[in-house]
Amino acid sequence: EAGVAQSPRYKIIEKRQSVAFWCNPISGHATLYWYQQILGQGPKLLIQFQNNGVVDDSQLPKDRFSAERLKGVDSTLKIQPAKLEDSAVYLCASSLDHGTTEAFFGQGTRLTVV
Amino acid sequence: GQQLNQSPQSMFIQEGEDVSMNCTSSSIFNTWLWYKQEPGEGPVLLIALYKAGELTSNGRLTAQFGITRKDSFLNISASIPSDVGIYFCAGPGETWGSRLTFGEGTQLTVNP
Repeated sequence: EAGVAQSPRYKIIEKRQSVAFWCNPISGHATLYWYQQILGQGPKLLIQFQNNGVVDDSQLPKDRFSAERLKGVDSTLKIQPAKLEDSAVYLCASSLDHGTTEAFFGQGTRLTVV
Repeated sequence: GQQLNQSPQSMFIQEGEDVSMNCTSSSIFNTWLWYKQEPGEGPVLLIALYKAGELTSNGRLTAQFGITRKDSFLNISASIPSDVGIYFCAGPGETWGSRLTFGEGTQLTVNP
């Protein structure tokens, strides 16, 4: 079974630029998560989708971050404009459904904002 | 919001030693998850616990769901160099479907 796929693996941008990350969850997984992991910290949930609907986006900085999962499969996370403090690893994870807590993670995208 | 406190923050041990780390919560959890993260990789699920008092093993790893439902521990026996990484506890809290919260991690270093 293929795991969660993310791209790109690394991205370096200047502040105020925009950036987008892509995620393809495990086949058949209805729930998709985007986490932000700042160096030395645990992952922090940004947004959680159930199929193509948003379940929880309470910790998403909506003035600059947006995410979509239009067909209930792949998802994109966008930052516009980026700030220096957005430098982090962005992890995508998926689970079978909303009530299943065992989430499986991709390798992440390491973003550096300079 | 829910907070998870992990201890210790870091551990330096010799190969062959046993390791114990724990996680405490400010609120009741219905599920405890233990993940391991290696450099440049995403977290990998090691053990999932679903019932207070439950003790579950996965090879040399053993984890327990505390009776109070506010804590959990992870033990690694006979450590080997590939055990190096950051170990995170995580849980969704008491409400069904609630946000999965992670602790800050325990960094484990194993000296050969």
